[in-house]
Amino acid sequence: DAGVIQSPRHEVTEMGQEVTLRCKPISGHDYLFWYRQTMMRGLELLIYFNNNVPIDDSGMPEDRFSAKMPNASFSTLKIQPSEPRDSAVYFCASSRGQGDSYEQYFGPGTRLTVT
Amino acid sequence: AQRVTQPEKLLSVFKGAPVELKCNYSYSGSPELFWYVQYSRQRLQLLLRHISRESIKGFTADLNKGETSFHLKKPFAQEEDSAMYYCALGASFQKLVFGTGTRLLVSP
Repeated sequence: DAGVIQSPRHEVTEMGQEVTLRCKPISGHDYLFWYRQTMMRGLELLIYFNNNVPIDDSGMPEDRFSAKMPNASFSTLKIQPSEPRDSAVYFCASSRGQGDSYEQYFGPGTRLTVT
Repeated sequence: AQRVTQPEKLLSVFKGAPVELKCNYSYSGSPELFWYVQYSRQRLQLLLRHISRESIKGFTADLNKGETSFHLKKPFAQEEDSAMYYCALGASFQKLVFGTGTRLLVSP
């Protein structure tokens, strides 16, 4: 298993543009998480899904951010319009949700730079 | 409120010195605590969990409910321990609350 897959690995865009980040969780995992990592705030949970249904989106910064999970093997995080303060590393993680209580498996991250 | 505090952003030690990365938590229920590690150019991964009471790569962490702490310790640091360390609290429905992280730098 290749683990959690994220694309793109790096994204550089101009302010105002739409950005779409993609994630493929580990097959068989029921939970999918989106995090943002910055120097100042560390690792922040943005939103997470259980069986493709959003459970908690209280970490989503504002309406410019949206996330979808149309099926068990794919999720997107979209920022529209993007702003320089959105520059960060965005991680996707997945977990089984049972047995291995709380252990999350992380993707390599997408480094987003908004100029 | 569920909160994890890691007071040190950077901890710098020499090889062979003892290491203690501090973590305090705030949680009204019975906590599950974890340490995750991110080595350079690698993914964030689970290092250890309090429920296992095990030692991984020489690291241990004891849950102290009285002090609401879960400090990570190693008696003799190695250069390969240099990494970013995150303390995390298991909250409801599989959610993890992470601290802001501590970067450990072990110099030769």
